[in-house]
Amino acid sequence: DAGITQSPRHKVTETGTPVTLRCHQTENHRYMYWYRQDPGHGLRLIHYSYGVKDTDKGEVSDGYSVSRSKTEDFLLTLESATSSQTSVYFCAISDSGGQETQYFGPGTRLLVL
Amino acid sequence: QQQVKQSPQSLIVQKGGIPIINCAYENTAFDYFPWYQQFPGKGPALLIAIRPDVSEKKEGRFTISFNKSAKQFSLHIMDSQPGDSATYFCAASKGFQKLVFGTGTRLLVSP
Repeated sequence: DAGITQSPRHKVTETGTPVTLRCHQTENHRYMYWYRQDPGHGLRLIHYSYGVKDTDKGEVSDGYSVSRSKTEDFLLTLESATSSQTSVYFCAISDSGGQETQYFGPGTRLLVL
Repeated sequence: QQQVKQSPQSLIVQKGGIPIINCAYENTAFDYFPWYQQFPGKGPALLIAIRPDVSEKKEGRFTISFNKSAKQFSLHIMDSQPGDSATYFCAASKGFQKLVFGTGTRLLVSP
């Protein structure tokens, strides 16, 4: 998975609790992305980062925040998890934000009860 | 609003068959069309990509056909094998903007 790890790989949590997912890369790629994958919706972009401390919203950013304090780490936080955020979350990286290949991590399966 | 519409949602073919997955888009400014392949429990991985200046691109058994006037592109898998069983996503982007993915097609190739 191109030097990308995600943690945790599985998580069960309760509605209303905060949750943080971590993406770590060893490729020194500038761009990092968080997607969620749901049946019938494909992959939808939540947030992305184009450099340390530089982030922007994707198409489904409500209820999520991100931070990137180091090139290698990109954190996704659900401030107060809801059942609608039950999903599989994928981190991806790319060397540039254009039409370069995106390399995906192994995913985190999150269940919000 | 689904910017890239993908069909079918699922597909079953026999070994050796030629599954075809179709995608349609509305934004004529899109200029990059990749396909990603995802095996169960794994993240997606780039399979093949095309730009609108060509009508077809082949890589091994995988072919993208592109119809600019119809705003459609499709993935063909020649001589499909059980190992090709996966979920396939089409996507599109313009310039430096982010990829927009289709909803995915789950392909099963039976032995």
